[in-house]
Amino acid sequence: DQQVKQNSPSLSVQEGRISILNCDYTNSMFDYFLWYKKYPAEGPTFLISISSIKDKNEDGRFTVFLNKSAKHLSLHIVPSQPGDSAVYFCAASVGRTYKYIFGTGTRLKVLA
Amino acid sequence: NAGVTQTPKFRVLKTGQSMTLLCAQDMNHEYMYWYRQDPGMGLRLIHYSVGEGTTAKGEVPDGYNVSRLKKQNFLLGLESAAPSQTSVYFCATGDRWGSEQFFGPGTRLTVL
Repeated sequence: DQQVKQNSPSLSVQEGRISILNCDYTNSMFDYFLWYKKYPAEGPTFLISISSIKDKNEDGRFTVFLNKSAKHLSLHIVPSQPGDSAVYFCAASVGRTYKYIFGTGTRLKVLA
Repeated sequence: NAGVTQTPKFRVLKTGQSMTLLCAQDMNHEYMYWYRQDPGMGLRLIHYSVGEGTTAKGEVPDGYNVSRLKKQNFLLGLESAAPSQTSVYFCATGDRWGSEQFFGPGTRLTVL
């Protein structure tokens, strides 16, 4: 039973446009969320996080939105660049504990 | 700084063989983790350590053992490899409980 779901396995976006990656979760106890980016043959790298006390967190071109009532979070990348092409994982935890539950990932391709 | 390194990068084993994966970090982080990533699934936690000399089970610990004799190294052992252990293994570190995690480049293991 996937507690963290990324229902879109892949997404293609034109350079300069907005990329929106979605993540849904089922456990209402989750209160800390992270996004990781992964290039081929490399380990995931941390991108951005959000606590459930917020509904938005911004870091440069990356913004994460959290909708607790819908149990949904999204990552917005504006503007998208070819270097953003990677697999993006969302992860969730109950409190800031070691036990992150990861989604299955969304492969983003930014077309030049 | 090398960050988090993993040895080896690739390995092919026959069923029943044993091997040890090495994770080394120069970040002076207390916490270290071993994950596996399988197609269509997110990263799943195998074992983790909260400091030198400590280890604990994660989500999918069966068939694996770990040791943390030195702060900078975290070893993952397979005593009798099975085809179900074919996967990509990632080591990660963290500098405090629940912080973002820093991942190594991964080890691709195939068990025939």
